Amino acid sequence: GDSVTQMEGPVTLSEEAFLTINCTYTATGYPSLFWYVQYPGEGLQLLLKATKADDKGSNKGFEATYRKETTSFHLEKGSVQVSDSAVYFCALTGFQKLVFGTGTRLLVSP
Amino acid sequence: DTAVSQTPKYLVTQMGNDKSIKCEQNLGHDTMYWYKQDSKKFLKIMFSYNNKELIINETVPNRFSPKSPDKAHLNLHINSLELGDSAVYFCASSQATSSRGELFFGEGSRLTVL
Repeated sequence: GDSVTQMEGPVTLSEEAFLTINCTYTATGYPSLFWYVQYPGEGLQLLLKATKADDKGSNKGFEATYRKETTSFHLEKGSVQVSDSAVYFCALTGFQKLVFGTGTRLLVSP
Repeated sequence: DTAVSQTPKYLVTQMGNDKSIKCEQNLGHDTMYWYKQDSKKFLKIMFSYNNKELIINETVPNRFSPKSPDKAHLNLHINSLELGDSAVYFCASSQATSSRGELFFGEGSRLTVL
């Protein structure tokens, strides 16, 4: 079945460091891919998405490129801030639902 | 106005009790979902409704019964609560059943069973 694999966390960085959170997927067909973010005490909200191969999604300084050849959708940001501390979920469109990865916690210290 | 709202936000109860969580969306979406998030943040879909009709039921125990009185509401009733039901329950909605569009999540309802 469709599945998403994310790197284990937590990822601990200092402010202004470069961020990469790895995400790979297994799917039949050509899913859309998403990154969602969950700030402490809140629900998930969409961060960015890509709907076809080679598309790049971007928002708030975060980027991810849909790589069909490596079945990956890694999340990157050039310079993280303390306010980016949250749990990040990679997801894909399965049959009638979104399939989420296990989430990666990011902790950014000043 | 909150797009997807859930009540209550916190719920503490004893094993064996019955409880309900309510969800309402004002986005005009056709599809609503219940997700369960465990202590390790793993997010798993439980149910999905499209225009009041059940379309996804992911091997959830019969003690869990969703009810959709109209397409803007999806409530979750849980009978005979068990310790393992302790989790955060998220309601969400989307425009289409295939989830090609964005899901909008509520803030979650943290259920603690003692």
